[in-house]
Amino acid sequence: AQSVTQLGSHVSVSEGALVLLRCNYSSSVPPYLFWYVQYPNQGLQLLLKYTTGATLVKGINGFEAEFKKSETSFHLTKPSAHMSDAAEYFCAVSTNTGTASKLTFGTGTRLQVTL
Amino acid sequence: ETGVTQSPTHLIKTRGQQVTLRCSSQSGHNTVSWYQQALGQGPQFIFQYYREEENGRGNFPPRFSGLQFPNYSSELNVNALELDDSALYLCASSFGQGDTGELFFGEGSRLTVL
Repeated sequence: AQSVTQLGSHVSVSEGALVLLRCNYSSSVPPYLFWYVQYPNQGLQLLLKYTTGATLVKGINGFEAEFKKSETSFHLTKPSAHMSDAAEYFCAVSTNTGTASKLTFGTGTRLQVTL
Repeated sequence: ETGVTQSPTHLIKTRGQQVTLRCSSQSGHNTVSWYQQALGQGPQFIFQYYREEENGRGNFPPRFSGLQFPNYSSELNVNALELDDSALYLCASSFGQGDTGELFFGEGSRLTVL
């Protein structure tokens, strides 16, 4: 079974500081990995995804993530936080149920950005 | 391009009642997945519909059922509501069976069971 662990349910950074949100996965097959963002009272929006190829993946809003197979990690980073980045972030791994693909999500990390 | 829309946005039910949630998929998408997001948790997969048939199901009891219509819109039905069914229900559409690409999520239906 595939699973995702997000370290830190809450992360607080100052505006302009580096954002680092941690995600480790468990998978018996090469994983497809995703980061989604959820703003208050909204659905989830895809930030970026890793399927195959380049291990450093760039997404929207200046975010990027690096797939490290040796560490089973897919941490999300952004060089400089903005107030608008405050949201809930979910790491997810794609799982095949036999006929369908589903996403298995972590429990989320709430990012707070302070002045 | 029309995004994923869900209705109703909020609703309150009592234990034992039944509820139907609706979802219109994004234009051009033929696959709909439903997820349950309890407070403070990540979304959990309920089931997926492709071309009007359920083609994958998560660890949810049979009182959770669904439908997909010829226009690819979908319904989630929950019978005999329990307090633990209180959650945000998210619909996501995509193109293709077994697609591991991007899911497009609606804003969700928030269900409160009293």
